[in-house]
Amino acid sequence: AQKITQTQPGMFVQEKEAVTLDCTYDTSDQSYGLFWYKQPSSGEMIFLIYQGSYDEQNATEGRYSLNFQKARKSANLVISASQLGDSAMYFCAMREAQTSGSRLTFGEGTQLTVNP
Amino acid sequence: DARVTQTPRDKVTEMGQEVTMRCQPILGHNTVFWYRQTMMQGLELLAYFRNRAPLDDSGMPKDRFSAEMPDATLATLKIQPSEPRDSAVYFCASGLILGLAGGPGGELFFGEGSRLTVL
Repeated sequence: AQKITQTQPGMFVQEKEAVTLDCTYDTSDQSYGLFWYKQPSSGEMIFLIYQGSYDEQNATEGRYSLNFQKARKSANLVISASQLGDSAMYFCAMREAQTSGSRLTFGEGTQLTVNP
Repeated sequence: DARVTQTPRDKVTEMGQEVTMRCQPILGHNTVFWYRQTMMQGLELLAYFRNRAPLDDSGMPKDRFSAEMPDATLATLKIQPSEPRDSAVYFCASGLILGLAGGPGGELFFGEGSRLTVL
C-alpha cells in the first residue's frame, strides 16, 4: 500500500487565487511528521512546511498552510494568492517514528501550473 | 547561507564505467540521505547515515551501489559498473534529526542533485 498518496497529477490555478493540493497518508504510528516540498523546473527540492502528528494547530508558513485532518489522514497544502513562481512540482512526504526511522517517504507529486 | 553541495551536477558516462557522486552536508547536521529520482519511480531512498554510521541501505542494489561517509563533511555514492537503468537524478539531503519523528526542524535540506546519464 502507498504510504503517501497524491491523487492530483496536475493542477491549474489562476494567479492570485488559492489552490489546495491533496495528500493522504497511511501509517499505524502514533508519532509522525508530514512535510511538503516544492521542486521547480530547475530541479532543487525546497522545504515548505511541516506538521507534527501531535500538533493541534494547522501549520502555516507565509502563503502556505497545511490543512491537517488527522482522523481522515490527510495533510493538504493550501497556497494562498498564487504567484507565477509557484508553478512547480509539489511533493508530500512523511516520517514515521517507529516504522521508518529518520527517512522521508515521498508521494508521486502534483504538478502545479499558475496561469497569468 | 548553509547548503548541501553535490558534485558533479551532470555526468554522462558509458555503461560499465564507475561513477562516484559526492556530497558535502550542512555542517552540524547528523543525518545524511541519498535519494534517486526518476520519472517512473519518483523519489526513492537509497541509503542514509546517522552520525556517519549507515542505518539503512536496503534501497540500493548491493551488487553495484555503495554508499560511504568517510568523514562528517563528505558522503559518497558509488556505482560500479554503471548501467543505463541507473540514469536518474541523485539527490543528497541532510538534516538535524533529534527525535524519531523529527519534530520541528527535522526537515531535510537537499542538494541540487547530480544528473546521471549512462549510455
